[in-house]
Amino acid sequence: KQEVTQIPAALSVPEGENLVLNCSFTDSAIYNLQWFRQDPGKGLTSLLLIQSSQREQTSGRLNASLDKSSGRSTLYIAASQPGDSATYLCAVSNYGGSQGNLIFGKGTKLSVKP
Amino acid sequence: ETGVTQTPRHLVMGMTNKKSLKCEQHLGHNAMYWYKQSAKKPLELMFVYNFKEQTENNSVPSRFSPECPNSSHLFLHLHTLQPEDSALYLCASSQGASGVVYNEQFFGPGTRLTVL
Repeated sequence: KQEVTQIPAALSVPEGENLVLNCSFTDSAIYNLQWFRQDPGKGLTSLLLIQSSQREQTSGRLNASLDKSSGRSTLYIAASQPGDSATYLCAVSNYGGSQGNLIFGKGTKLSVKP
Repeated sequence: ETGVTQTPRHLVMGMTNKKSLKCEQHLGHNAMYWYKQSAKKPLELMFVYNFKEQTENNSVPSRFSPECPNSSHLFLHLHTLQPEDSALYLCASSQGASGVVYNEQFFGPGTRLTVL
C-alpha cells in the first residue's frame, strides 16, 4: 500500500531564505508526482507535476525534483516571500492502481516571516 | 467563470438533513473527483468519474451518494450524516481518457461542511 510522508510537518523561515520541502513514498511504481499549495480553508493549487520519466520540473522560484528509485521528491523554493506561506502537499499516482487515485501526504505548513 | 467551482462554500446541517454539494468544471475535462479533507489527516479520495461513469468508490459509506449527469457537473448528495463527516470536501477534474485518468488534477475551493 502506497504511503506518502512529508517532513517537516511545519517550517518557519525568515523572508529571503531558500528552503527545501521533502516528500517520500514507499512504492516506487508511480506514474507521476504532483506538488500542490493549499491556503487556509481553500482548495488546492497545482504547482508542479513530474512524470515518472522526468527528474525535475521548474516554475519560477520553484523547482521540484524526483528520484523514483529512492522514493523521494523535493520542492525547492528560492528567495522565499511572505506570500509563500501556505501548506504544501505532495501526491503520487501509481501504475496499476485505481484510476485517478492520488495518494497525498499530510503536508508541510510553511510560514515565511517578513 | 473559469476552472473548478463548488457550491455552497460553507454548509451546516443536522444529522437528519438531506443536502447536496455541487461541483462544476469549465476546463473541458472528462474526469471528476470528490475528496474529503479532515483535520490532521491526508486528503482522501472518495469517488472518481471518467466520462460520466463511476470508476472508483473508495469504500465510502452509502450516506454519501455521488451523481455525475455530464462531464462538467458533479454532485455529492448527503443524507443522515454523522458529526465525524464534518470536513472540507474538495472536487477536482482532469483530462481523463478512455481507461486512464492519470492526468494532472485541478481542484475547486472546497465546501466546508459542519454536521451538528
